[in-house]
Amino acid sequence: GQNIDQPTEMTATEGAIVQINCTYQTSGFNGLFWYQQHAGEAPTFLSYNVLDGLEEKGRFSSFLSRSKGYSYLLLKELQMKDSASYLCAVRARYGQNFVFGPGTRLSVLP
Amino acid sequence: DGGITQSPKYLFRKEGQNVTLSCEQNLNHDAMYWYRQDPGQGLRLIYYSQIVNDFQKGDIAEGYSVSREKKESFPLTVTSAQKNPTAFYLCASSKFRDRTNNEQFFGPGTRLTVL
Repeated sequence: GQNIDQPTEMTATEGAIVQINCTYQTSGFNGLFWYQQHAGEAPTFLSYNVLDGLEEKGRFSSFLSRSKGYSYLLLKELQMKDSASYLCAVRARYGQNFVFGPGTRLSVLP
Repeated sequence: DGGITQSPKYLFRKEGQNVTLSCEQNLNHDAMYWYRQDPGQGLRLIYYSQIVNDFQKGDIAEGYSVSREKKESFPLTVTSAQKNPTAFYLCASSKFRDRTNNEQFFGPGTRLTVL
């Protein structure tokens, strides 16, 4: 089977740094995606990892360790508008569709 | 501007009625998808389509049907056979399904409520 785990909720303070973890167990691996979703809205793409290591995009970075089945999304200099759910999604095999995790709801407090 | 549109944003249906959710994209994407999202849960795949006139079942296809007569359009019908249809429905598209780094672009979603 395929399983993706993320913490359900996290809270952080404006200006701080937060790390959202994602662990996965899939029959194969061919890419991991992070999406941001504000309440009642569509998810928007944040980052993509297929090789081990860190990918940086402005205030957002994503890390992948394939041997550990582990990824994290790092958000720096948190802003109130970063309050949202963050979805981790894995493509298990070439040509297969995504499997989404349950999402982590992040609340940024002033 | 290119994008994905879904209509309507809110939909109410009586029990026992079929209802069709619209999804249109002008991104020239080959692949299109339908997901269902329940409160506090991730996205679950209902159906997907790689090319016109072809589609496959996802993880929770029972009680749903789709068609792909045009590249731009992928409507989803929620039938009366779907036991618990109240949910948020999201349509997505991507360039080529088999390319690993092709992220999905999502429409704004339709919130369906069965009365």
